[in-house]
Amino acid sequence: QQQVKQSPQSLIVQKGGISIINCAYENTAFDYFPWYQQFPGKGPALLIAIRPDVSEKKEGRFTISFNKSAKQFSLHIMDSQPGDSATYFCAASKGTGNQFYFGTGTSLTVIP
Amino acid sequence: NAGVMQNPRHLVRRRGQEARLRCSPMKGHSHVYWYRQLPEEGLKFMVYLQKENIIDESGMPKERFSAEFPKEGPSILRIQQVVRGDSAAYFCASSRRTSGSQETQYFGPGTRLLVL
Repeated sequence: QQQVKQSPQSLIVQKGGISIINCAYENTAFDYFPWYQQFPGKGPALLIAIRPDVSEKKEGRFTISFNKSAKQFSLHIMDSQPGDSATYFCAASKGTGNQFYFGTGTSLTVIP
Repeated sequence: NAGVMQNPRHLVRRRGQEARLRCSPMKGHSHVYWYRQLPEEGLKFMVYLQKENIIDESGMPKERFSAEFPKEGPSILRIQQVVRGDSAAYFCASSRRTSGSQETQYFGPGTRLLVL
């Protein structure tokens, strides 16, 4: 079954707006939550990651919000730009050196 | 510092042929992971290897698929007797030696396999 559930499947945002993508998980053993950005024909590239000991992490225009009790985490892209148009994947893993469980992806389109 | 390298980038095979996908991890990385991505889907874990060892192959189909990461050279994902359902993008990721906390996985550009 899907270990990490991601929504929405697709998202259209006006330039300058805020893009919000949500993920939920069930396994409380997960302790690492990265977000990846993927452009067509390319491999996923790490965007930002968070561990459950903090509730928020910000890097530039990208922020992860983490709610441990609700077992949810989200990616916020502030001041969205057309260049942000890509597919975004959340992921989760547990322990060290273990596989990542990926969400099904969100296709983001930022319109000028 | 070169990233994760995969080749070939595109591979076309006819049903019943063999496909060999190669992955060279980032310099200093000793952990390699293989994932498969079907169109419009997320990445699904296949196998996790360290040099000369398969650590976790729980995502690998039981038949026709095998992987190795020899002491010298790249990691190889091998698919024997390919079928149309094997058509997908195959991504390799690598990470550094872990020391108590999860290390980020860095992905290569992928090999897009098309089975005719």
